[in-house]
Amino acid sequence: KNQVEQSPQSLIILEGKNCTLQCNYTVSPFSNLRWYKQDTGRGPVSLTIMTFSENTKSNGRYTATLDADTKQSSLHITASQLSDSASYICVVSAGNNRKLIWGLGTSLAVNP
Amino acid sequence: EAEVAQSPRYKITEKSQAVAFWCDPISGHATLYWYRQILGQGPELLVQFQDESVVDDSQLPKDRFSAERLKGVDSTLKIQPAELGDSAMYLCASRKTAARGTGELFFGEGSRLTVL
Repeated sequence: KNQVEQSPQSLIILEGKNCTLQCNYTVSPFSNLRWYKQDTGRGPVSLTIMTFSENTKSNGRYTATLDADTKQSSLHITASQLSDSASYICVVSAGNNRKLIWGLGTSLAVNP
Repeated sequence: EAEVAQSPRYKITEKSQAVAFWCDPISGHATLYWYRQILGQGPELLVQFQDESVVDDSQLPKDRFSAERLKGVDSTLKIQPAELGDSAMYLCASRKTAARGTGELFFGEGSRLTVL
């Protein structure tokens, strides 16, 4: 069964600190992996999209990694800001029809 | 910057009433999705359109939900009659169709439905 699992479920950090969010997937065949940021009450916004051949991809203070062998991805946030408080969702695109398998997200709170 | 437009932003209705949501995707985006997101959970696909055709509506509760995209541009999602369990955020997303590309997905701000 195609699944995407994220950890931790929630996380609280202090402003300025770094953090890493995890995503494990059992999706086959794999097409690509996406990380989205979703502010409360808003639609998700794409952070990165990674294909099978990409190991690392950065978008400002966000860096995503992908290990296609172990089927794991991580999202590292550097020098966190209050505006980083949001839900971060990992999504894996599967199969020839590019069906999207969504994780439940990690809720991040950045406190001053 | 082009955006996916959705309306209404908020809707409060009583159970058994009809409700409709509208979505206007980014110009030129052939693929359109409707998602439902219950608070604290990830989005759940309701229906996917390719131009005016339904590609996937396997998770759409067809006894009460309907969706259309008559001219292959904007789309309407309807619920009739609404039930308490339909309270959720309804998200519309669009992307250019690419046979082998990554096809970035762009979301609207969503329509928050509360059924009383």
